[in-house]
Amino acid sequence: DADVTQTPRNRITKTGKRIMLECSQTKGHDRMYWYRQDPGLGLRLIYYSFDVKDINKGEISDGYSVSRQAQAKFSLSLESAIPNQTALYFCATSESDRYNEQFFGPGTRLTVL
Amino acid sequence: GESVGLHLPTLSVQEGDNSIINCAYSNSASDYFIWYKQESGKGPQFIIDIRSNMDKRQGQRVTVLLNKTVKHLSLQIAATQPGDSAVYFCAETKFYNQGGKLIFGQGTELSVKP
Repeated sequence: DADVTQTPRNRITKTGKRIMLECSQTKGHDRMYWYRQDPGLGLRLIYYSFDVKDINKGEISDGYSVSRQAQAKFSLSLESAIPNQTALYFCATSESDRYNEQFFGPGTRLTVL
Repeated sequence: GESVGLHLPTLSVQEGDNSIINCAYSNSASDYFIWYKQESGKGPQFIIDIRSNMDKRQGQRVTVLLNKTVKHLSLQIAATQPGDSAVYFCAETKFYNQGGKLIFGQGTELSVKP
């Protein structure tokens, strides 16, 4: 089984809808991250969490919110989706003292019409 | 502002040849530089990192070189194989705030011809 899983893998939605992307991990890592990938722009950090009680904004957090329900679960929400949030979203995890090596999930492709 | 960018968006090499993927960075305060590989349809995968006080680090078939004078990072892949075909990202990070956030560059697509 995969260590970092994401659901759904693909999602098409309409402008204004609320969307939740979920991430689960079995690696036992404290740190979890949400990234967004757009063609030609690499990966950009949306939110990151050092542990269940510690959540921080990344470079592009506007329009997004997160919830760390447990050590193993970190969800990303789009409260009111807009077309420019169409992108590939990745969840990642890392050990607290080895943050350079992040383990990524397979990604969720989100399309907002 | 902080940025990590790549010189070439695509690179095509013959199987068995060595590959060199380049990256320019602008933030001299970064503590680590990292290379990730992303195969089609998958999430990025860690390859190797190098601390800012080092010039060279070797892994299995890969070598990372850091030139702080010109703010340049490179990834060398020896005897490139078809399985090396992927997009390669450089990234940087700092220690501040309990450990750094990764800042990724745009990526270079490596294509290996049989």
